[in-house]
Amino acid sequence: AQSVTQLDSQVPVFEEAPVELRCNYSSSVSVYLFWYVQYPNQGLQLLLKYLSGSTLVESINGFEAEFNKSQTSFHLRKPSVHISDTAEYFCAVTLISSGSARQLTFGSGTQLTVLP
Amino acid sequence: GAGVSQSPRYKVAKRGQDVALRCDPISGHVSLFWYQQALGQGPEFLTYFQNEAQLDKSGLPSDRFFAERPEGSVSTLKIQRTQQEDSAVYLCASSLGMSQPQHFGDGTRLSIL
Repeated sequence: AQSVTQLDSQVPVFEEAPVELRCNYSSSVSVYLFWYVQYPNQGLQLLLKYLSGSTLVESINGFEAEFNKSQTSFHLRKPSVHISDTAEYFCAVTLISSGSARQLTFGSGTQLTVLP
Repeated sequence: GAGVSQSPRYKVAKRGQDVALRCDPISGHVSLFWYQQALGQGPEFLTYFQNEAQLDKSGLPSDRFFAERPEGSVSTLKIQRTQQEDSAVYLCASSLGMSQPQHFGDGTRLSIL
């Protein structure tokens, strides 16, 4: 079975500082990788995804994540954060296998708080 | 519709009551998923539909949980004889197909007193 570990439950950072949210996964088969963001009292919004190809993927609002197969990691980074980036961030994986339901397995989340 | 719609947004029930949670997926989305998100945790998979067929219900925690999608569109998650540990946010997600990104609704926050 696959699992996702987000070691940091809370990450406080000052505005305009860089940030890295860590994600490691465990799986016996290949996976697709995702980052979702959740604002208070809302559902999850897809931030970015890695399916294949370039290991560095970027979102439209400045976040990027790099798939590292040898370290089984998919860390999320942003060079300069804004107050509006304050939210809960979830890393998730889904198995690559025909016939699977493609349900997502989530980490426990990292609360990013951007301080003025 | 513009996105996945869930109702009600909030539900309070007494222990032992039955509840029904509704999900309206994005029009044309074949795949529909239910997740349970406990306080301070990531969502956990409950069940999956492809059109009207329930292909995976391995995540349902007990036989008190039942889900249906009779016409391949709207889905209902029913919880019978609710217990306090059922308190959580229930999220619905839909996608065009099995390998497509999932789009989530805002969830139903269920509180069992």
